[in-house]
Amino acid sequence: AQSVTQLDSHVSVSEGTPVLLRCNYSSSYSPSLFWYVQHPNKGLQLLLKYTSAATLVKGINGFEAEFKKSETSFHLTKPSAHMSDAAEYFCVVSVRSGNTPLVFGKGTRLSVIA
Amino acid sequence: GAVVSQHPSRVICKSGTSVKIECRSLDFQATTMFWYRQFPKQSLMLMATSNEGSKATYEQGVEKDKFLINHASLTLSTLTVTSAHPEDSSFYICSARKVDTEAFFGQGTRLTVV
Repeated sequence: AQSVTQLDSHVSVSEGTPVLLRCNYSSSYSPSLFWYVQHPNKGLQLLLKYTSAATLVKGINGFEAEFKKSETSFHLTKPSAHMSDAAEYFCVVSVRSGNTPLVFGKGTRLSVIA
Repeated sequence: GAVVSQHPSRVICKSGTSVKIECRSLDFQATTMFWYRQFPKQSLMLMATSNEGSKATYEQGVEKDKFLINHASLTLSTLTVTSAHPEDSSFYICSARKVDTEAFFGQGTRLTVV
């Protein structure tokens, strides 16, 4: 069985400071891992994905995440927060093969303070 | 990237009526699509897996007679909320997945039952 734990329900940072959104996963198989962002009343946008290639994954808008198998973690980071980064972020896990549904974490709401 | 189109984006209906939501994969064939429901300030919960040409697989606790899913072609899945009630008001999102890649999400449908 697969599961995802997002350790913080809400993170607040000042504009220009680093962002860290934490995610731990559990999977019986080699997982694919994703980070999605959702702005209010909008659909989901893929930020980045890990599917067994490089463990440090770079995504859009300056975000990146590192897959650490020993720690079963896939934390999302950004060096410098921008006001437009304020949104809900979901860490997602999936079994790599097959047409299986994605399993979502509970989400982390990122607030950016001017 | 692949595109999944969901329609309508917003619908208001009277209690007791039925509402149909369409989910189309525009540039790839999706043998499997997934329907999620999202309550305010919560994560996405998988409702059902829609399989082309066969019956949908519903998650535990989801009423299959209330949430009718049809996947008549490789590019179209529909979710019909039958005899809708105010508690069915929610944000519904579909997704389609190519094998071994990320899922692509529709824009979501905001359903309000009055």
